[in-house]
Amino acid sequence: DIQMTQSPSSLSASVGDRVTITCRASQNISIYLSWYQQKPGTAPKLLIYTASNLQSGVPSRFSGSGSGTDFTLTISSLQPEDFATYYCQQSNGNPFHFGQGTKLEIK
Amino acid sequence: QVQLQESGPGLVKPSQTLSLTCTVSGGSISGGGYYWSWIRQPAGKGLEWIGLIYRTGSTTYNPSLKSRLTISADTSKNQVSLRLTSVTAADTAVYYCARVTDYGGKGDYFDPWGQGTLVTVSS
Repeated sequence: DIQMTQSPSSLSASVGDRVTITCRASQNISIYLSWYQQKPGTAPKLLIYTASNLQSGVPSRFSGSGSGTDFTLTISSLQPEDFATYYCQQSNGNPFHFGQGTKLEIK
Repeated sequence: QVQLQESGPGLVKPSQTLSLTCTVSGGSISGGGYYWSWIRQPAGKGLEWIGLIYRTGSTTYNPSLKSRLTISADTSKNQVSLRLTSVTAADTAVYYCARVTDYGGKGDYFDPWGQGTLVTVSS
């Protein structure tokens, strides 16, 4: 199985900050990685697929990059509604394991 | 717009069978380009992929659950179901279903998700 490791596990930041979350795969997954945002009490929401493609309706301040084993999710200017937990998920074949999550908190 | 709604008992006794249904509206579960997956999340923890069912009816399961798990589909009701046997407290979680856009296993992504249903395993 391909294992996914996110860092950091938690992060404190302020509105307007630029934030980067990292996801590392245990083996080469090419560009087959998705990012999800989850707010408390709600289902995860797709933000980005195939590493850098922004899902329709997702603000352009979100961006993704990377290939192979190392990936990043960047929020260019944090907004109050962005404080949530973020998960990466590999999509290079089953099982589609998720990372352990990164909780983004208000500083 | 496709919507998914999970349903089932909120409380299951240890050693019994957990059964959940995901009802899909706004689209057919047998339509092309998609398949269906279950994911769960214990309270305060991360997401665990459970398994999936393609529109052909073939399935793939998380190896850690494979011996206890069955995912099936009822096209007449436009529903996908999950059955997990011999449950323990470790199976207590919010269970989600999701539609998966099918790129042949390379770049598939989960969207949308149902709202989730909490299942507690307790006597």
